[in-house]
Parts: sequence; C-alpha cells; structure tokens
Amino acid sequence: KAGVTQTPRYLIKTRGQQVTLSCSPISGHRSVSWYQQTPGQGLQFLFEYFSETQRNKGNFPGRFSGRQFSNSRSEMNVSTLELGDSALYLCASRQQGRVGYTFGSGTRLTVV
Amino acid sequence: DQQVKQNSPSLSVQEGRISILNCDYTNSMFDYFLWYKKYPAEGPTFLISISSIKDKNEDGRFTVFLNKSAKHLSLHIVPSQPGDSAVYFCAASPVYGGSQGNLIFGKGTKLSVKP
Repeated sequence: KAGVTQTPRYLIKTRGQQVTLSCSPISGHRSVSWYQQTPGQGLQFLFEYFSETQRNKGNFPGRFSGRQFSNSRSEMNVSTLELGDSALYLCASRQQGRVGYTFGSGTRLTVV
Repeated sequence: DQQVKQNSPSLSVQEGRISILNCDYTNSMFDYFLWYKKYPAEGPTFLISISSIKDKNEDGRFTVFLNKSAKHLSLHIVPSQPGDSAVYFCAASPVYGGSQGNLIFGKGTKLSVKP
C-alpha cells in the first residue's frame, strides 16, 4: 500500500515568487492536512481538506492557500514568498473516523 | 500561547532502560492524544494514541499514560533500543463537532538511546 507522496522533495525559490506543492494521499483517505515545520515553531497546522472542502484552517496569512481535487490529491500554494517561509512542509492523510494521520516525507522549501 | 508543551528538548537513555517522554497540555477540550516519532528527512510516524476517556494505552514496548486532572501525558518505552533514537512529538486533537479536526503538536523531544 503506497504511502503519502509529496512532490517535489526539495525546492529553492526566490523572495517574491510563488510555489505550489503537491500531495497524493493514501488510497481511500479523503482527509488531507498540511503542516509547516520550522526549528523554532515546531509543527504548525496550515489547513485540512475533506472531500474537496477546506474544513479547518490554521493561523497563517492569506498567502498560504490550498485545494483538494476529486481524487483527494491536494496542493498548497504560497504566494509572494518570504525568507521566513523556508520550512519543511508536511502533508498528512487519514481515513475518516480514524485518529492517526499518516505523514509524507515532506517538501523542503528554501527561500533565498 | 502553546497549548501542547514538551518541556524537555532532549533525553538520553541507556539501551535496555526505560525512556519516559513527557507532555503537558492546557486545553481541557482535547479529545485524543497521539505520539509521533520522526527521523531526520522523513515525515512523522504515528506511534500510539489515547482517548481522553482512558488513562492508559499499551502497544508492545510503548505505553502512553494520561492524567487528565494534571493535564499531563507520558510515553514510556521499555526496553529502549538504539533504533528508538529520534524526535518524539506529542500531539492533541481538539473536538470539532463530528470531525477530529487538526492536530496541535508540541515542539518535540529528541531521544538518544546509547548502546
């Protein structure tokens, strides 16, 4: 059974650019969440999608957005990149009614 | 304001001994608590969870204890093995109607198990 797949694994962008990260959840998992991990703040919740609808949103500026497609695949977008957006972005999926999320390996974004 | 706190950034334990990782929380509305393990360059891996209606859950070498009155939980690993060396995250899930909502993570404790 394939795990959560995130692409790309590494990304370097310049300040002011925008970036799109992709996540393919485990087959059958309809809930997809995104987290940002930084050394100072730890893992912080960005948003959660279920059946193409954003169900929860964390405390991040509007530059961070996401969407989910009918096949449960999800993308997140960050516009007008800032140096502080450099982080590991993790996607996680779970089956409805289950507690544990399964995380992907993440996309390491570096903003220069 | 941190709702989930792991006050020990690191812990070193001898192989074969018990590892005890601690976590405190502030929000009494949390419904589930989870522990994740993370190796470098990998995503967190789910280890074990506990519902707020229980005070103990065991899975092999891993046991989680929940003390609701103290808003404290701990993860016990017995016996500790060198392969357990990783960063351990405590996470809590708030109640959102019918949804389990997002996870709120602590900042992690780096466990080193020495041979």
